[in-house]
Amino acid sequence: SQQGEEDPQALSIQEGENATMNCSYKTSINNLQWYRQNSGRGLVHLILIRSNEREKHSGRLRVTLDTSKKSSSLLITASRAADTASYFCATDVNTGNQFYFGTGTSLTVIP
Amino acid sequence: DVKVTQSSRYLVKRTGEKVFLECVQDMDHENMFWYRQDPGLGLRLIYFSYDVKMKEKGDIPEGYSVSREKKERFSLILESASTNQTSMYLCASSSWLNEQYFGPGTRLTVT
Repeated sequence: SQQGEEDPQALSIQEGENATMNCSYKTSINNLQWYRQNSGRGLVHLILIRSNEREKHSGRLRVTLDTSKKSSSLLITASRAADTASYFCATDVNTGNQFYFGTGTSLTVIP
Repeated sequence: DVKVTQSSRYLVKRTGEKVFLECVQDMDHENMFWYRQDPGLGLRLIYFSYDVKMKEKGDIPEGYSVSREKKERFSLILESASTNQTSMYLCASSSWLNEQYFGPGTRLTVT
């Protein structure tokens, strides 16, 4: 399977702290995306990083990509209770337009 | 504002029934996807479509079929629902190799 794997599976932090979650994948990719899912809802796109990029920022989000290690990390700085959600990475199949999602990291931010 | 809508948020069906899940997007996207999401398994791709009347199998197509007669509409069909198809079903759309926009999901229970 092309599926990415997020690590850790669950993370609990205090409001104001930083949260880091990681994603590993198996084969070459064109890009990697991170999504957020609030409980029982659809997924919301957060950020896309292309295979020729190493780092990308969007507000309090910082994503890094290491294609040599086939891994990515998502850092959420100064976390808020509203950041409580599950976070998924998605990688595309190099030759097509399918995206493969990992099993997600469940983040709980305690007020 | 971009939008992907799904015909139902919650659905309860009996074993053996034929089930239709509909998805509509208003972004003129070429690609549309159906996933199912189960605890511990993440999102798994059932089918996707990259053009009207075109369809491709994903990782778990068994027991499902799809229909795309118009660009904006992608239907998932369970020919004879079974209890192991109880799940959250998520529809998404995207343009080529770009972020996916998800609907709110349909939680299907088969009894």
